[in-house]
Parts: sequence; C-alpha cells; structure tokens
Amino acid sequence: GAGVSQTPSNKVTEKGKYVELRCDPISGHTALYWYRQSLGQGPEFLIYFQGTGAADDSGLPNDRFFAVRPEGSVSTLKIQRTERGDSAVYLCASSLKAGSTDTQYFGPGTRLTVL
Amino acid sequence: AQKITQTQPGMFVQEKEAVTLDCTYDTSDPSYGLFWYKQPSSGEMIFLIYQGSYDQQNATEGRYSLNFQKARKSANLVISASQLGDSAMYFCAMVNSGYSTLTFGKGTMLLVSP
Repeated sequence: GAGVSQTPSNKVTEKGKYVELRCDPISGHTALYWYRQSLGQGPEFLIYFQGTGAADDSGLPNDRFFAVRPEGSVSTLKIQRTERGDSAVYLCASSLKAGSTDTQYFGPGTRLTVL
Repeated sequence: AQKITQTQPGMFVQEKEAVTLDCTYDTSDPSYGLFWYKQPSSGEMIFLIYQGSYDQQNATEGRYSLNFQKARKSANLVISASQLGDSAMYFCAMVNSGYSTLTFGKGTMLLVSP
C-alpha cells in the first residue's frame, strides 16, 4: 500500500510569509506525528495527533506554529510569519496507534527554505 | 527526560564486512522502545529494527541485528555483509512507555566502499 506522503517536497518562501505543509498518512493509521530536522541533526518532535485531536504539542517552538487534522487523516502544519530559523526539513510520520511499541513510518519530508 | 547518544559521527566499512553502529540511551523509565532508522541522501527515514526493553532476545531483521545490553543502556546496530546501498545516515531513537514521541540521536554517517 501507499506510504506516508508529504507535499510540497520543497518550499521556498520569504521571511514573514505564511506557509502550509501537508501530510497524508498511511491509510488506517490513527496516530500522526510532525518532526523537524535541522541540518546535521536528528529529527525533533513538534506535535502528534491521536485521531483528530492534538495529543501532545509540547514540541511546537512558539505560537507561530500550528497544526490541524480535522478528519483524523490528512494533517496540515501551518507556520505564520516565517523566520529564517524555520528553515529545515519537516518530517511527518504515522503509526497504527500511539505507543512505545508502535513503529512510526516516515514520509519523504518537506524542505522549507525561508529567505 | 530521555536522551540518545551516538558517539560516531562517521564510520567506514568495506563491502561485505560487518559494522557496528553505537547507541547509548538514558532514561529512568523501566519500559521503553528502541528503534533504528536509516536516512539515505534522498531524505526519507526508513525503519530498520525495533527492540522493546523487556524483550528477552536481541532483535534481528535480515542483515540487521540489535545488540541490546540493558545494564549498560546500549543498543548497538550491527549490519552484516555490508552493501554499497547501506551508505546512509543511521539514527537511533527511543520512546518511553506512556509516551509516543521519538527522541533521536544525532546520527552516524556510514560509508560503504567497494
């Protein structure tokens, strides 16, 4: 079956602009995660959803970042007033359910560049 | 708090040889899961292998095995019979029981030479 997909694969924007990054999880996976990976680092957790609700958003760096998953499937990560420091690869993952034994499967990522 | 340490920024191995990538972790939770992912230059994180803290046996998946030493808090990845396609970044990660989010190490770049 299809894996996790993310669009766009690349996004270049100007400082101060608004961007939306989309994630389409594996069909049937109830848990969805967003991570951010800066150059030379491992991914860092941002937010995760169990169904439609955000179960843990403690990784969001500030209130410019927001994510939704209105129907429990596709999720959108929204970044307002982008800053150059937001430049990174944004990774989405999904798992059958949320838990320490559940494998998370990742999408190809969206590379965000803020000029 | 949980922490993953990967002390090898880069490793070199010849094709067909075995290689061990080191991972140590720190957690006060007795129940946790340990994962290894591969990230080729294309950027996608590929799941390789999982080890639960209460698993009695070391996990194996094809050419991948996990050398789990609980008392030493280490979870080293062993790749047997390396192939050129194994050249990539490798990340160790963990999840504590009761949580769902992965904590990653900084990764190890593996280069396999002919």
